[in-house]
Parts: sequence; structure tokens; C-alpha cells
Amino acid sequence: DQQVKQNSPSLSVQEGRISILNCDYTNSMFDYFLWYKKYPAEGPTFLISISSIKDKNEDGRFTVFLNKSAKHLSLHIVPSQPGDSAVYFCAASAYQTGANNLFFGTGTRLTVIP
Amino acid sequence: ETGVTQTPRHLVMGMTNKKSLKCEQHLGHNAMYWYKQSAKKPLELMFVYSLEERVENNSVPSRFSPECPNSSHLFLHLHTLQPEDSALYLCASSQSRGHEQYFGPGTRLTVT
Repeated sequence: DQQVKQNSPSLSVQEGRISILNCDYTNSMFDYFLWYKKYPAEGPTFLISISSIKDKNEDGRFTVFLNKSAKHLSLHIVPSQPGDSAVYFCAASAYQTGANNLFFGTGTRLTVIP
Repeated sequence: ETGVTQTPRHLVMGMTNKKSLKCEQHLGHNAMYWYKQSAKKPLELMFVYSLEERVENNSVPSRFSPECPNSSHLFLHLHTLQPEDSALYLCASSQSRGHEQYFGPGTRLTVT
């Protein structure tokens, strides 16, 4: 049973507009959430994260929002740029026997149209 | 070299072959991970090593055998694989108490 879900496999946005990527999770034990970006032929690259004690974290053009009661988080990119075109993975972290294990969604492919 | 490196980047092997995937991290981390990414599926955690001790083994078939000789190196030994094992195999590292994992570029494995 998948504990982290990204229900939109793809998203297209005009350059300069806002991109909003969504993620839902089911496990209340998750205490940290992360977004990764992946280009073809490369491994996922860490982008931004948020602790479960916060509801917002901002880093430049990227903002992550967390709604714990809805078990939902979102990544906002504004303004969107063509270089942002990639697959974005949402991940949730839970500490299990010696390390923090990440549970990933299936990803959303973002295309930013120039 | 910086970050997390993986070799080889591409591997084609027959079902009777034995091969090994190598991962090296240059970040001073003390936890290392193997993930499998199949088409249209989320990344699946296979193995976790923390302080060179295996702490997680997610019901992975015995034809996959990990080895962590020190905190900077991680291997995945492969033998008698099946075609459905064809996938992208990703290595990652982190601090054992840290949340952010840093990934290598992956090995694209094809089993014929």
C-alpha cells in the first residue's frame, strides 16, 4: 500500500507563472517531508524540506506548504522557469532502526513552456 | 570526486551472470541506501546501512546481496537475476540521524 501519493503524473505551466505540485500521505508517523527534482539520466536532487512542526518553508522561488490535518503538502515554484522542467518527487521520512527512511511518491513531470 | 558516485552507469547482464554495483560517497555521511526504481513505480527502498551495519532489508530476494565495507562504500552483488529485475538502481547517503538523502546518478540495469 503506497503511503505517499502524487496523483498528477504531469503538469504544464507557462514560463513566469506559478507551478503547484501536490502530494498526499497516509502515515501519521511521518515527521519530515522532502521534495526532490530529477532530470533524465541523473539521480534525484534534494530541493527543499519541511519539518512536521512547521506549515511553511521557503527557499528562493520554492515554497513548501504542509497541512498536517489533511495529510497534504504542496510545492510552489514561482516564477516558473524552463530549467525547472523535470520530474518532482515528494518523500516522507520516518525514523526506523538506525536511520531515517524515505518513502517516495511516483513523481510529477513538470514542463515549463517558454 | 564529489557527492555520490555509482559505477557502472549502465549494465547488461544475462540471467546466469554475477556482477556487482558500486557506490561511493564523498560527503562524510554514515548511512547508505540502495533503492530500486522501476517504470511507473515509486522508488523502493532495498537496503539501509547505518554506521556500516545493515539496519533494513525490505524483503529483497536473496539474489541481491549488499555489502558495506566502510562508511564510504556500498556494493550490491547480483547473481541469477530475472528480467523483471531490470530497473534503475540508485544509491544514496545521509547522516544516520539526518533526513536529507543525497543520491548518485544510478545504474541502469538490463537483465536479458
